[in-house]
Amino acid sequence: DSGVTQTPKHLITATGQRVTLRCSPRSGDLSVYWYQQSLDQGLQFLIQYYNGEERAKGNILERFSAQQFPDLHSELNLSSLELGDSALYFCASSVGWGTGVYGYTFGSGTRLTVV
Amino acid sequence: GQQVMQIPQYQHVQEGEDFTTYCNSSTTLSNIQWYKQRPGGHPVFLIQLVKSGEVKKQKRLTFQFGEAKKNSSLHITATQTTDVGTYFCVGGSQGNLIFGKGTKLSVKP
Repeated sequence: DSGVTQTPKHLITATGQRVTLRCSPRSGDLSVYWYQQSLDQGLQFLIQYYNGEERAKGNILERFSAQQFPDLHSELNLSSLELGDSALYFCASSVGWGTGVYGYTFGSGTRLTVV
Repeated sequence: GQQVMQIPQYQHVQEGEDFTTYCNSSTTLSNIQWYKQRPGGHPVFLIQLVKSGEVKKQKRLTFQFGEAKKNSSLHITATQTTDVGTYFCVGGSQGNLIFGKGTKLSVKP
């Protein structure tokens, strides 16, 4: 157990639908990062939050949005889902908002399948 | 934009052989990190290199950061079946991590 909790572990939904993925960072970590990993692909950075504020944005589609709440958990909202959105979505956390000495701690991921 | 290229994409080795993966960045990096992702698992942080020319060892794993801080390598001596997985180099720049696409290592017993 890495200390980063992601729910749900698996999600199957239809095209056009909207889903919410949830992440609880490791205790003491203020930064949350969202990554998308498609089959046999690397990790694509989506967005980062630090202590409730958006810090960096990567290749995140306009159909996707995220937020970090006062208790530091984060949610990634994916709407108007398309088949190509099927992927593994990872959440990671770190103490600060930079890269840090200890790297990022990843959760186990949410596998999203759009049918 | 900033890119981190990693080669090879795949590597198949016989158990006991050595393995090396290389990482190159289009820009100078503030640091480089390496992660390992086992099949079906999530990335796990291995190490961070910060200084130009830095070399760090973890048992059979040797990590190097280039003098120009634009490239890095991971060398595994005498691979074991437990080394199977995808190794990602991750370039740190301006507070963000840029992941390479990884090298997928398979080890034949």
